[in-house]
Amino acid sequence: QVQLVQSGAEVKKPGAAVKVSCQASGYTFTSHTLHWVRRAPGHGLEWMGWVNAGNDNTKYSQKFQGRVTLTGDTSASTAYMELRSLRSEDTAIYYCARDVVGAFDYWGQGTLVTVSS
Amino acid sequence: SYELTQPPSVSVSPGQTARITCSGDILAKKFVYWYQQKSGQAPVLVIYDDTKRPSGIPGRFSGFISGTTATLTISGAKVDDDADYFCYSKESSDNQGVFGGGTMLTVL
Repeated sequence: QVQLVQSGAEVKKPGAAVKVSCQASGYTFTSHTLHWVRRAPGHGLEWMGWVNAGNDNTKYSQKFQGRVTLTGDTSASTAYMELRSLRSEDTAIYYCARDVVGAFDYWGQGTLVTVSS
Repeated sequence: SYELTQPPSVSVSPGQTARITCSGDILAKKFVYWYQQKSGQAPVLVIYDDTKRPSGIPGRFSGFISGTTATLTISGAKVDDDADYFCYSKESSDNQGVFGGGTMLTVL
């Protein structure tokens, strides 16, 4: 069965960077793009971007352009989201989600990133 | 930037019909997707390609679109449907994704 398993919770100081992983199983990793979505406390879902590990193509939300990097390691069937220059407003739960012709059919369990001094 | 607009909250009694709208110019050209998110859980896809229901999603969930407004309808809402609902689409020219602001559905 399809599974997306994310790395554990992180606590970071303002200005630092965080890298969250999303390990896929149960399907061919390179056949689907993986999107990253976050939800901050008191806010809604926010789309961050996607990565296609099969061809290394990426697309980023204009809001995060320059501060986020999405990558994929085909040998490990794992996608990564690195967010830099963290600020308190980046405190959120970060999710990866598999794209099937536009729909996000499977989601990771979420990774809580807390930014606090 | 691209925007999808949803009402912040909708409230119905069990057994009533809940309707959640999502408006945005991009919906005239691109599909809309609906996600349900319960507290402490990852989102779940409930409607895709405007009107289609994934396997495992109860038949009381349906989607409709007219022009630039999409509607998620929950017929005979149950207490278990109490959740946040988000519409999603993507802009056609540069593939930017966008979520609506979300609607908190209260069923009680």
